[in-house]
Amino acid sequence: QVQLQESGQGLVKPSQTLSLTCTVSGGSFGTTYYFWNWLRQRPGQGLEWIGYIYYTGSTYFNPSLQSRLAMSVDTNKQQFSLKLRSVTAADTAIYYCARDNRLGSGWYFDLWGRGALVTVSS
Amino acid sequence: EAVLTQSPGTLSLSPGERATLSCRASQSIGTYLAWYQQRPGQAPRLLIYDSSNRATGIPARFSGSGSGTDFTLTISSLQSEDFAVYYCQQRNNWPRGTFGQGTKLEV
Repeated sequence: QVQLQESGQGLVKPSQTLSLTCTVSGGSFGTTYYFWNWLRQRPGQGLEWIGYIYYTGSTYFNPSLQSRLAMSVDTNKQQFSLKLRSVTAADTAIYYCARDNRLGSGWYFDLWGRGALVTVSS
Repeated sequence: EAVLTQSPGTLSLSPGERATLSCRASQSIGTYLAWYQQRPGQAPRLLIYDSSNRATGIPARFSGSGSGTDFTLTISSLQSEDFAVYYCQQRNNWPRGTFGQGTKLEV
C-alpha cells in the first residue's frame, strides 16, 4: 500500500526559506505514471495547488508562487522536496504532498500525505 | 482559468437524508472535475473523478454528475462519517487545477 509522508520544519521565520520533504513508501516512485505534487491549505481556507515534479526532475509551478519556488527529487530515497523562499505570514498553512494519477480521461490527486503544518512567525 | 463556485456554503442535514452539493464553473471544463472529501484533521480524499466516476473504495452512495459548467455531488443516504467538507476541483487546464471554496456538510 503506497503512502506519502511529509516532514520538515514546523516553524519558519519571516523572510527565510520553508523546506519540506515527502517520502513515498510501499510503491514505485520513479515511474512514468505519476506526477508528484505539493498543495497547501491556509487556515480556514480552501486548497491551493503549488506545483509538481516528475521523477526525471522536470517541474511546473503555480505562476503565483513560481518566483519563490524550487522542487527537487531523489529517486533513490523515493523522496521529493519543496523549498519556498522569502516566506511571510501568508505562507502559514498545512502543506500536503499528493500523487497525480491518470484516471479516466484526466489527472487527479488520488493519494495524499497527512499534511504538515508550517507556521511563519518570528 | 475556470473559477469554481460551490453551493451551498453549509448544508445541514440528518443521517439517512439525501445530500445534493453543487459546483459551478465560470467557463466550460468538459467533465474534468473531481470531488474530494475532507474530514476534520485529515487530508482530502478523492471521491469522484471525470465528473461521475467513483474512485477506488468509494461507497456507491456517492455519485457525481454534470458536464460543461454545472456539476453535482449526491450522497444518497447520509452516514455519520459523511459529515465533512467537500471540495470540487477542475483539471481542464492540467496541471493547474483550481478548487472550489468548499461545502461544509453538517448535522
